[in-house]
Amino acid sequence: AQKVTQAQTEISVVEKEDVTLDCVYETRDTTYYLFWYKQPPSGELVFLIRRNSFDEQNEISGRYSWNFQKSTSSFNFTITASQVVDSAVYFCALSRGDFGNEKLTFGTGTRLTIIP
Amino acid sequence: KAGVTQTPRYLIKTRGQQVTLSCSPISGHRSVSWYQQTPGQGLQFLFEYFSETQRNKGNFPGRFSGRQFSNSRSEMNVSTLELGDSALYLCASSTYTAGGQETQYFGPGTRLLVL
Repeated sequence: AQKVTQAQTEISVVEKEDVTLDCVYETRDTTYYLFWYKQPPSGELVFLIRRNSFDEQNEISGRYSWNFQKSTSSFNFTITASQVVDSAVYFCALSRGDFGNEKLTFGTGTRLTIIP
Repeated sequence: KAGVTQTPRYLIKTRGQQVTLSCSPISGHRSVSWYQQTPGQGLQFLFEYFSETQRNKGNFPGRFSGRQFSNSRSEMNVSTLELGDSALYLCASSTYTAGGQETQYFGPGTRLLVL
């Protein structure tokens, strides 16, 4: 069975601080995909990143960066120089890699509040 | 390209009624997945449709059903509504390439309140 753990329920930081959201996953599959989604108050899940299990390169996109470490089964997300618009609930998710079985298993989410 | 659209956005029903939610995927996407989001259970997978066939189903009672049409639009139906069915229902669409299923893109959701 697959499982995603986001131990941080809520985080508050002052604007312009850096913040890291943790994600730990469990799977027996050798091929799998990891995702991060952002959910603003409007409710829509906004896709941020998708990473397959064979690509452990860290990725940076503007103020966002992701650190994928298979050795610790972690896929952490860092926001640099946070802004008020980053306030949202962030979900880490996992899917299997086999065709026809790509449902997303989500973590419980981390509510991030950026204080102006 | 237009995103995933869901109708209606808000819905109020009473216990025992049934409800149908609609989802139109991104143009060209043939896979539609449905998820239920509640404060207690979080985000849970309901089912996935691909080319009008249900390919995967989550752990929900038979009161929850769905279908997909030839234009890839999907509907989800919940019969005999219970208070616990109050939730945000999210639809996601994706496409397939040689590498498998691509990213799932979500719609704005339908917020269902059962009284």
